Amino acid sequence: AQKITQTQPGMFVQEKEAVTLDCTYDTSDPSYGLFWYKQPSSGEMIFLIYQGSYDQQNATEGRYSLNFQKARKSANLVISASQLGDSAMYFCAMRGQNSGYSTLTFGKGTMLLVSP
Amino acid sequence: DTAVSQTPKYLVTQMGNDKSIKCEQNLGHDTMYWYKQDSKKFLKIMFSYNNKELIINETVPNRFSPKSPDKAHLNLHINSLELGDSAVYFCASSQDPGTPGANVLTFGAGSRLTVL
Repeated sequence: AQKITQTQPGMFVQEKEAVTLDCTYDTSDPSYGLFWYKQPSSGEMIFLIYQGSYDQQNATEGRYSLNFQKARKSANLVISASQLGDSAMYFCAMRGQNSGYSTLTFGKGTMLLVSP
Repeated sequence: DTAVSQTPKYLVTQMGNDKSIKCEQNLGHDTMYWYKQDSKKFLKIMFSYNNKELIINETVPNRFSPKSPDKAHLNLHINSLELGDSAVYFCASSQDPGTPGANVLTFGAGSRLTVL
């Protein structure tokens, strides 16, 4: 079974600063994927970034980067140069292997508030 | 064009009623999912279908019955609604395993169900 742990219920950051959202995971699968999704107050789930367990380099997507430390089983999201629009709930998720198809196991989320 | 669309967005009903939520995706994906997000924002997989066939059923009560008339549609029917069914239900889709896009789930905007 997969487990995702997000220990920060809420984070505050000032505009233009960088922020790191923590995520640790547990799995017995030799191969897995890690994801971050953003859920603004409007409610939709927006895919941000993906990291494969065998990827050699940390994933980056614009202002988002994933600090993947396999030995520590951590997959922290780093948002550089925070913007007011980054205020949202952020979910770390892991792809499980169930009958060979992808499902996502989610953490409990971290609420990020960006202040001017 | 909305990639994954769910209707209705809001649904308020009495205990004991039967209701349905519809989902359609125009991404050409073969796999579709239903997730439930509870009042604490926790997201959990309920069902997954691949090309109209049920592949994942995560110990969801029998009152919940998904139906996939074709691979672009996955509807969720709920019988005898209970207070605890109040939640936001998300539909999602992804490509077949082994394809480059298989890792990422694309979510609909969610359907907020309130049972009184």
